[in-house]
Amino acid sequence: ETGVTQTPRHLVMGMTNKKSLKCEQHLGHNAMYWYKQSAKKPLELMFVYSLEERVENNSVPSRFSPECPNSSHLFLHLHTLQPEDSALYLCASSQEQGDYGYTFGSGTRLTVV
Amino acid sequence: ILNVEQSPQSLHVQEGDSTNFTCSFPSSNFYALHWYRWETAKSPEALFVMTLNGDEKKKGRISATLNTKEGYSYLYIKGSQPEDSATYLCAFDTGGFKTIFGAGTRLFVKA
Repeated sequence: ETGVTQTPRHLVMGMTNKKSLKCEQHLGHNAMYWYKQSAKKPLELMFVYSLEERVENNSVPSRFSPECPNSSHLFLHLHTLQPEDSALYLCASSQEQGDYGYTFGSGTRLTVV
Repeated sequence: ILNVEQSPQSLHVQEGDSTNFTCSFPSSNFYALHWYRWETAKSPEALFVMTLNGDEKKKGRISATLNTKEGYSYLYIKGSQPEDSATYLCAFDTGGFKTIFGAGTRLFVKA
């Protein structure tokens, strides 16, 4: 375990469903991130929260909605997704801007049917 | 658009071989360069964060060098072992929480 826990590990959802991904860290980090990895593509930054404020939103469609209620928890709310949104969603955390690197969770493998 | 290129895409070596891969990144707006190791079904694990031109870092049999002026970093593995099989990612950090990842080099080490 890295100290960053993501649930669920796997998720299959229909295009009309609403679901949420959860990420939790107790490392004392003050920044949290959502990354997406689609097949054969690099990790893509989706959202960044620093001290519970959103500081980066990389032109992500509004069907993805992040929430950071406190510095230890990060959610990604999903609704009316498309099959092309099927991917591995990774959460990460860091102290400050990541001067010591990011600590990643194991990811949620999402399949949209 | 900032591009981070890694080569080769994949590499097959025999146990005991030494190997290296390359990460190329823009030579402007540099803050740091990260290397991660990502084993299948696990989380990416930070290996190095390098900030200064000419930096060399080492962790066991793995080492890395950094040239920020020409925009490249090398990762070296000495005496590869089967447990070194993983995808090695580099990430170009411009500061301000924005880090751009390369597509990775997939290393297979055969016993």
